[in-house]
Order: sequence, then structure tokens, then C-alpha cells
Amino acid sequence: AQKVTQAQTEISVVEKEDVTLDCVYETRDTTYYLFWYKQPPSGELVFLIRRNSFDEQNEISGRYSWNFQKSTSSFNFTITASQVVDSAVYFCALSGGGGYQKVTFGTGTKLQVIP
Amino acid sequence: DTGVSQDPRHKITKRGQNVTFRCDPISEHNRLYWYRQTLGQGPEFLTYFQNEAQLEKSRLLSDRFSAERPKGSFSTLEIQRTEQGDSAMYLCASSLIPLRSTDTQYFGPGTRLTVL
Repeated sequence: AQKVTQAQTEISVVEKEDVTLDCVYETRDTTYYLFWYKQPPSGELVFLIRRNSFDEQNEISGRYSWNFQKSTSSFNFTITASQVVDSAVYFCALSGGGGYQKVTFGTGTKLQVIP
Repeated sequence: DTGVSQDPRHKITKRGQNVTFRCDPISEHNRLYWYRQTLGQGPEFLTYFQNEAQLEKSRLLSDRFSAERPKGSFSTLEIQRTEQGDSAMYLCASSLIPLRSTDTQYFGPGTRLTVL
């Protein structure tokens, strides 16, 4: 069975602070994919990143960066110099590899950036 | 805008009534998914179509729920004899079968259902 744990339910930071959202996953698959989605108050889930289990290189996209560590089964997400527009619920998700596999989502971390 | 669209965005109904939601996927996406999301939780998988074929259904999808994708384009999700426990956000997502690797699902804005 697959499981995604986002232990941080809510985080509040002051604008311009850096913040890291934690994600720990469990799977027996050797090939799997990890995702991060953003859900602003409007409700639509916005795809941010997909990472496969064979690629442990960290990735940076603007103010966003992701740290994938298979040794600790973690896929953490850092926002640098946070902005009010970053306020949202962020979901980490996991699917198996090899064509279609059901996506399992974590319970989400609500991030509030205070101006 | 060529993203996933859902209609209606909000639906309030009385217990026992039937409701139907529509999802229009991204053009040319051959996979379509339905999820349910309750407050404070992540989306939970309900069912999935590849073209017009419904290939998997979750145990969450009781007999009162039915989904169709008749021409492999838009999809409908119907809930019969609604119950208060059906109150949730219903999300639709679509994806394109890739040549390799898994697909990435793109989500619509959701339909928020309130059952009184």
C-alpha cells in the first residue's frame, strides 16, 4: 500500500521568510513518481512538479526548490522569500510507475504567508 | 482557456435528490479521473477512464454513484439519492498517455456539493 504523510498541518510565516514543507512517503514499488500540487483558496489543484524515483537530483524553479532523498523517503518542498500569493494548501502525492497508477495524496499543508 | 473545466462550480441539494456533474478535460487528453475531497483531506480517487472505457472504480464509489464518458471526451458523475455524507468537493482531472513513464494529472476547479 502507498502512503503519503504531511505532518505539518498548518504553517504561518512572515513574507520574505523561507519555508520548507515536509513530505514522507511509503511504497513497495521500485519505480514510482512523486508530485507536488498547490491548491489556492479558489480550489483548483495546480501541478507544480513531478519527480521519478530514479532521479534524486534536486530541482529549482524560481523561488521553489525540491529535495528528494530516497534514503529517508522524503520529498520536501522549499519556498524561498515567500510571498502572500504563496498562501495555499500544498499537497504531496505518490503514484507507482509503469503507465497508469492511482495517485495517493497526503492530507496537505496549509501555508499562510503574512504580509 | 484550454484547462479542465467543471460544471457547476457549486451545487446545493436536499437529501434524497439526484445530482449530476460534468467535466470537460483538456483537449486530446485520453485519461479522465474523478476524485472526492473533504475538508482537511487530500483528494481521494473515485474512478478513472481511458477514452470511453471505465477501467477502475474505488470502493468509495457506492452503487449510488455512476460515471460515464460516452464519447471519450467529457464525463458526467451522477449521485443518486444524495446523503449528507456526500457533501464534498468533486474534482476532475485529465492526462495524456505518455510514451513512457506515468502520466501527470491536471485538475479542474472542482464542484462543491452541499447536501442539506
